[in-house]
Amino acid sequence: EDQVTQSPEALRLQEGESSSLNCSYTVSGLRGLFWYRQDPGKGPEFLFTLYSAGEEKEKERLKATLTKKESFLHITAPKPEDSATYLCAVRRGGADGLTFGKGTHLIIQP
Amino acid sequence: GAVVSQHPSWVICKSGTSVKIECRSLDFQATTMFWYRQFPKQSLMLMATSNEGSKATYEQGVEKDKFLINHASLTLSTLTVTSAHPEDSSFYICSAQRSPTDTQYFGPGTRLTVL
Repeated sequence: EDQVTQSPEALRLQEGESSSLNCSYTVSGLRGLFWYRQDPGKGPEFLFTLYSAGEEKEKERLKATLTKKESFLHITAPKPEDSATYLCAVRRGGADGLTFGKGTHLIIQP
Repeated sequence: GAVVSQHPSWVICKSGTSVKIECRSLDFQATTMFWYRQFPKQSLMLMATSNEGSKATYEQGVEKDKFLINHASLTLSTLTVTSAHPEDSSFYICSAQRSPTDTQYFGPGTRLTVL
């Protein structure tokens, strides 16, 4: 059974204080690891897809990396508008739905 | 872009009634759409996979006779919650898969409250 574990559950940072969110996964035949951002009461917003160990992707203050067992979402010099829940998900096959972790609730204080 | 809409955004109904939720991909065609459910402070749980022109595939523990899914076109999938009960109250979110990538784009969600 696919498993996705995210840590920490919650993280409070000061504006400008960089940090990393972790996503550990167990899946047979990974066909993609996905990062989404979810604001309260809204659907997830797509951030990144990673397919193979060693892959990295960046978007503004966010950078996602992937190893064979985990993925990290690094946030550099965050701003209050980066406050959200960050979700990690894995996919097995081309048409399979996603298995999500419980998310990391990130709060950036001004 | 890759925009997915849902309608309605929220609905309140009485126990025993049926509710239909629509999911549309506005600027791309989606052979496959997915339906998820999210309870408060929980993550998204896959309910079913919807393929255009064929029967939906349901996850273990999801009653197919209670959650009817129809994917009549490449831009529209519907979820009907039949004979809704208070325990069906949840946040229902759809996603559409944009070919040829594996990326799923999510709708804004529908908040269902069953009284």
